[in-house]
Parts: sequence; C-alpha cells; structure tokens
Amino acid sequence: GENVEQHPSTLSVQEGDSAVIKCTYSDSASNYFPWYKQELGKGPQLIIDIRSNVGEKKDQRIAVTLNKTAKHFSLHITETQPEDSAVYFCAAPNFGNEKLTFGTGTRLTIIP
Amino acid sequence: DAGITQSPRHKVTETGTPVTLRCHQTENHRYMYWYRQDPGHGLRLIHYSYGVKDTDKGEVSDGYSVSRSKTEDFLLTLESATSSQTSVYFCAIRGSRTGELFFGEGSRLTVL
Repeated sequence: GENVEQHPSTLSVQEGDSAVIKCTYSDSASNYFPWYKQELGKGPQLIIDIRSNVGEKKDQRIAVTLNKTAKHFSLHITETQPEDSAVYFCAAPNFGNEKLTFGTGTRLTIIP
Repeated sequence: DAGITQSPRHKVTETGTPVTLRCHQTENHRYMYWYRQDPGHGLRLIHYSYGVKDTDKGEVSDGYSVSRSKTEDFLLTLESATSSQTSVYFCAIRGSRTGELFFGEGSRLTVL
C-alpha cells in the first residue's frame, strides 16, 4: 500500500512570509495528490489538489508542486495571514483511488 | 455543506463496553469512510464502504467493525472498547465527480 511522509510536523512563520510543507509518497502509480486543511474542532477540508499530468497548480495564495520522478509534492502558501493557522494534511491514493492515505499533518502557526 | 452528520459528537465510556458511532449522509454517495485521528499519526483509515453491505478494511481495523444497511448510514462499532481506542473519529464521503473527501465534524471518544 501507499506510504506518505510529511514534513515538518510544526511550522511557525511571520505573517506575510511564505510557508512550505513537503510530502513524499511510495507508490509510483499514484496520480492524485490532495491537500486538506483542518481548523480547530472541525473536520479536514480540501484546499487544493493536483493530478499527475501537471507539475504545478495555483489557486490565489496557495500552490502545489509535484515531482513524479522524485515522488514528492509540496504545498506553498504565500503572503500568509492569521487565518492560515491550521493543521495541513497531504494525501495520496491507495489501490486505484478507492482510499486515501494521509500524511501525519503539519501544524502551521502564523505569528502576527 | 456536504450533508454529513456524526453522532454522538462526544462520548465517554468505560473499558469493555460496546460503542457505536453513526455517520449519516444526505448526498446519496457510494463511498463512505471511517478515519481516526491521533497526535503524531494523522488520519488513519479504519474501514470503508463502497456500497450497501459492501465494506473493506483499512490500515487500523483491529477491534472495529462496520455496517452499512442503507446508503445514507455507515456505523462504526467497537465491540469492547479499550483505552487505545480513545481518539477523534471522522466519517467522510467521497464526491462522485471529483473524488474529493468531505469530512464530518468528528466524534470524540474517551475510553476510561
């Protein structure tokens, strides 16, 4: 099955600076890589995803990059704001996309 | 709003007692999932369902059983709760078009 590793486990950045979270995966057949954001007391929510036919995808201040050769993908948040403080999870599919395997999460804190 | 409700939202129970958590969806989605969330482990899949009466194990299924007798309900049962099952449990449904997971608000279970 898929193995997903996520780093760092905690990250603190000054408001306005950029944050980068990295994940690696093991199954070279994986073709879908979502990122979820979890705010305190709530369930995770999809914020961006990328499929293996592209190397980068952007949505306003959020971007995801994918390197299929190295089997890693990253979340980039620019111009960070206090509302970006949350736990972020990467994920990769398992067994034909029926299941998602999640990373262990990154707690991002934006320092005002 | 993805139309997912979990019940109960909070439960405290004693070791050895049976516990059932309920996930209810109003969206008529085929795939439903139960994850547990623990510090340092992220989200780990317990069981999932791909249709009425069709279920399969995830990576941490020992000590748990599930049932799906109707499309809208997915039940997670701990036959004899143990302290190691103290966790936050999340139900999720998979969007039919995009494959995105929509999570419920979570059920916090404490086993004393």
